[in-house]
Amino acid sequence: AQSVTQLDSQVPVFEEAPVELRCNYSSSVSVYLFWYVQYPNQGLQLLLKYLSGSTLVKGINGFEAEFNKSQTSFHLRKPSVHISDTAEYFCAVTDTGTASKLTFGTGTRLQVTL
Amino acid sequence: EADIYQTPRYLVIGTGKKITLECSQTMGHDKMYWYQQDPGMELHLIHYSYGVNSTEKGDLSSESTVSRIRTEHFPLTLESARPSHTSQYLCASSEPGQATNYGYTFGSGTRLTVV
Repeated sequence: AQSVTQLDSQVPVFEEAPVELRCNYSSSVSVYLFWYVQYPNQGLQLLLKYLSGSTLVKGINGFEAEFNKSQTSFHLRKPSVHISDTAEYFCAVTDTGTASKLTFGTGTRLQVTL
Repeated sequence: EADIYQTPRYLVIGTGKKITLECSQTMGHDKMYWYQQDPGMELHLIHYSYGVNSTEKGDLSSESTVSRIRTEHFPLTLESARPSHTSQYLCASSEPGQATNYGYTFGSGTRLTVV
């Protein structure tokens, strides 16, 4: 079984500042990793995913994440945030064997202010 | 534009009532899922289906039941609602073998309040 830990429940940041949302995972097998974003009163939308290959993956809206196997981390970054990035962000993992059911973290609330 | 639809978006209902949350997708996806999401907490998988007439319980025990009579439809039913069922319920779908390529497609959710 896999588990995901999102270390920060809330991250306040000023507009145009850089941000990093932290995600660590635990698994005894190889994994695929995902970041999803949830805007208020909406479902979840896929931001980016790591399946294999380059450990730096780029997603939508200027976000990127780096897979670090030795530290079992998959932190999400953006060099300059906008007010519109205010949302809940979820890290998720699935094992490469079943590659089906996702296990989600508790989420990180990104609050961008002027 | 969402291709997976959940109704109702919001529901306030009294204890003991029977309710059905609807989920429909127009993508022809075989795999469908129900997640329960409480504020400040992770999403918990409560039911999933890999195709018509296939349903399985998820990682979180739930008193709800599901059915999958048609590929596009995956309703969730609570026979007797209780305040402990108050939560947000999210429906999702994915193609077989492509969950990792495209990720899940989520509906907008149903926020259920049982009073």
